Amino acid sequence: DTGVSQNPRHKITKRGQNVTFRCDPISEHNRLYWYRQTLGQGPEFLTYFQNEAQLEKSRLLSDRFSAERPKGSFSTLEIQRTEQGDSAMYLCASSSRDAVYEQYFGPGTRLTVT
Amino acid sequence: QKEVEQNSGPLSVPEGAIASLNCTYSDRGSQSFFWYRQYSGKSPELIMFIYSNGDKEDGRFTAQLNKASQYVSLLIRDSQPSDSATYLCAVVNRGSTLGRLYFGRGTQLTVWP
Repeated sequence: DTGVSQNPRHKITKRGQNVTFRCDPISEHNRLYWYRQTLGQGPEFLTYFQNEAQLEKSRLLSDRFSAERPKGSFSTLEIQRTEQGDSAMYLCASSSRDAVYEQYFGPGTRLTVT
Repeated sequence: QKEVEQNSGPLSVPEGAIASLNCTYSDRGSQSFFWYRQYSGKSPELIMFIYSNGDKEDGRFTAQLNKASQYVSLLIRDSQPSDSATYLCAVVNRGSTLGRLYFGRGTQLTVWP
């Protein structure tokens, strides 16, 4: 059973550009989460999917952020008009219907906005 | 008040000692508690979870939960240099059916040989 995968692992972009990240959860995991982590802080919740439905969004997720999980498998997180404050590690996690709260994280995508 | 509080450390212990990591949470109705280990530059790795008051042991790790005092701790016995990492405490709050985790800032542990 492979773990959660994320692509790209690193992204450097100029302020104002759009970026998109992809997350592939563990097979058969129906729940998928996005978190953001900055240096010295714990991960902060961004949004959550159960199958293809986006069920919760954090106030951190401004209108420049959008996430999708079109077929209930992989998910994408897009940031439009990036700002320097968006620089962070973007983490994806997944969990199964049998162990809802036990979330397993992918390696993350480190975003640097210059 | 943050949902989850941890002493950021650093905590430094010699090899072979017991490392004790503590976490407090603000929501009295919190129901599920997790410890993640995060090596520098890596993503969090789930190492322990506990749902009921008392102790839960897994190898060298013991999680302790006291809901009345709203704290959860992680003990690492026979600490090894490879245990050097940041340990994150995470909580699922009361009423959450969605599994949203609230994390503390983490405690940095260094185990010196």
